[in-house]
Amino acid sequence: QSALTQPASVSGSPGQSITISCTGTSDDIGYYNYVSWYQQQPGKAPKLMIYDVTKRPSGISNRFSGSKSGNTAALAISGLQAEDEADYYCSSYTTDSTLVFGGGTKLTVL
Amino acid sequence: QLQLQESGPGLVKPSETLSLTCAVSGGSITKNNYFWGWIRQPPGRGLEWIANIHYSGSAYYSPSLKSRVTISVDMSKNQFSLTLTSVTAADTAVYYCAREGGDSWSFYGWGRGTLVTVSS
Repeated sequence: QSALTQPASVSGSPGQSITISCTGTSDDIGYYNYVSWYQQQPGKAPKLMIYDVTKRPSGISNRFSGSKSGNTAALAISGLQAEDEADYYCSSYTTDSTLVFGGGTKLTVL
Repeated sequence: QLQLQESGPGLVKPSETLSLTCAVSGGSITKNNYFWGWIRQPPGRGLEWIANIHYSGSAYYSPSLKSRVTISVDMSKNQFSLTLTSVTAADTAVYYCAREGGDSWSFYGWGRGTLVTVSS
């Protein structure tokens, strides 16, 4: 059970769009549509932003969107805002009936 | 609105057992077929899933921790618990309890987290 692979950091200017990738295997991301994305502000608990690859929980801005192709999932954020600066984590259900997280990506809004 | 609150000792000695409890308020732990989980985060590092449990007792564990971890539910107290044996400094982390949706292995609600330090 290896962690999903995310870039350590991404950055963008206000108003721009960014994408964070999350690469797994055919035993997790590639097998199930159970990919989630979490936003974590410093000193806070994670917050669910995307579930089931593309779905947004109630109250989450439509600036956040998710997608998947093969063994790689992605989180896109459009119209970047200063408040989006945070750590982002992906997760996926696996064929072992377990859950695996990505290593996390630090988003910096320039 | 379900709320979760972790509790337990902030300091545990190496080789001893770490025990944490998550109190659920604002609704029953048996509601809506939810699963309940524990996730930890070592200081400055990423999230690590530990275990999930359903009120029926059905449980799932991280393979890397399975030999040392037990997750349990107490319906009478509307809470669930985590026990981690033979702790080392590597188990130092913020421990979060969370509510999973029941069908997608996504955690919709989280507690604030509790820092557990393993040190003599």
